[in-house]
Amino acid sequence: EAGVTQFPSHSVIEKGQTVTLRCDPISGHDNLYWYRRVMGKEIKFLLHFVKESKQDESGMPNNRFLAERTGGTYSTLKVQPAELEDSGVYFCASSQERGTLSGNTIYFGEGSWLTVV
Amino acid sequence: EDQVTQSPEALRLQEGESSSLNCSYTVSGLRGLFWYRQDPGKGPEFLFTLYSAGEEKEKERLKATLTKKESFLHITAPKPEDSATYLCAVREGLTGGGNKLTFGTGTQLKVEL
Repeated sequence: EAGVTQFPSHSVIEKGQTVTLRCDPISGHDNLYWYRRVMGKEIKFLLHFVKESKQDESGMPNNRFLAERTGGTYSTLKVQPAELEDSGVYFCASSQERGTLSGNTIYFGEGSWLTVV
Repeated sequence: EDQVTQSPEALRLQEGESSSLNCSYTVSGLRGLFWYRQDPGKGPEFLFTLYSAGEEKEKERLKATLTKKESFLHITAPKPEDSATYLCAVREGLTGGGNKLTFGTGTQLKVEL
């Protein structure tokens, strides 16, 4: 079974340009998350989709970031316009909701490494 | 706000030298404490989830334990291939946090021959 896949794996763009990251979750996983780690910091939550709906976007840093999940399958995260401080690694993760307090295993992709110069 | 603190930041062991990594947490209502392994340039790889104090889980040379305030990842007779960054994360459950994970900064483990 394929894991969480992300594209591109690496991207170098100039300040002010636009970048779109894509994530394909594990098949059948309704929950999709975006996380980010900037240099020297811990991995931080950005947002959470349940199917095509945004469940929690409390971690999105500002309105230059736009996440979509049309049809409840793959998701994109667009940064427009990119700034230097956006450099870091963007992780996508997915899980299968079971509706219990015991929660679910959250599986991560390999990450998209973004460098803004 | 949830907080996760991992120690030590870095650990160097000789092959076969057992040790433990610590994860201290503050959370309103724990709905899972997760351990992940991360290799350079890769994404976090799931190891364990612990849900309640007293729970223990094992996988090969790794054993994770949980109390009400902290979790330990015990590494028994480590090998060089166990070298990685080990990440701890908590999922909070009482204030509508959903499935959001709060991560620590990790412990970078190096096992030498």
